[in-house]
Amino acid sequence: ELKVEQNPLFLSMQEGKNYTIYCNYSTTSDRLYWYRQDPGKSLESLFVLLSNGAVKQEGRLMASLDTKARLSTLHITAAVHDLSATYFCAVGDRGTSYDKVIFGPGTSLSVIP
Amino acid sequence: KAGVTQTPRYLIKTRGQQVTLSCSPISGHRSVSWYQQTPGQGLQFLFEYFSETQRNKGNFPGRFSGRQFSNSRSEMNVSTLELGDSALYLCASGLAGGRVGFNEQFFGPGTRLTVL
Repeated sequence: ELKVEQNPLFLSMQEGKNYTIYCNYSTTSDRLYWYRQDPGKSLESLFVLLSNGAVKQEGRLMASLDTKARLSTLHITAAVHDLSATYFCAVGDRGTSYDKVIFGPGTSLSVIP
Repeated sequence: KAGVTQTPRYLIKTRGQQVTLSCSPISGHRSVSWYQQTPGQGLQFLFEYFSETQRNKGNFPGRFSGRQFSNSRSEMNVSTLELGDSALYLCASGLAGGRVGFNEQFFGPGTRLTVL
């Protein structure tokens, strides 16, 4: 059964600093998604990573995927307060031909001015 | 292009009642997935429909059911509501012809269900 873990679960960082959120998953997959959720809101798609070695960047966020290590990272560069949110990674379950997507527990990020 | 819509946005029910939630996917999307989000359990997969067929189901009791119509709109039903069913229910639609897990999912605003 596919399981998805994230760490850290809570992250408080100062503006201007860099940090990385890690997403590990338990079974083979090359479908990895990152989402952002603001309090009381729905999920916003950030990145879709569909192959080993995929790297995508948008603004201060960069995501990468290593399917051999079953690991994805979300790197935050020079954090700003607007990045405060909960970040979820989600993995397509290869055992169901990727029809089923399993989410990690989320990382609650707080950027302090 | 209109996004994923869910109705109602908020719902208050009492234990033992049943509830039906509706989701209209993005035009052209044939795949709809449902998720339950709670503070304790996080985001949990309920089921996924494609072309009116349920392709996958999560680990939820039979009180949770769903269906998809020919226009791709989907409904989920929860019977005999329990306090623990209080949650944000999110639906997501996937690109036409693709599979939810293969392509990107787009989420609706959710339905906040409170069971008293």
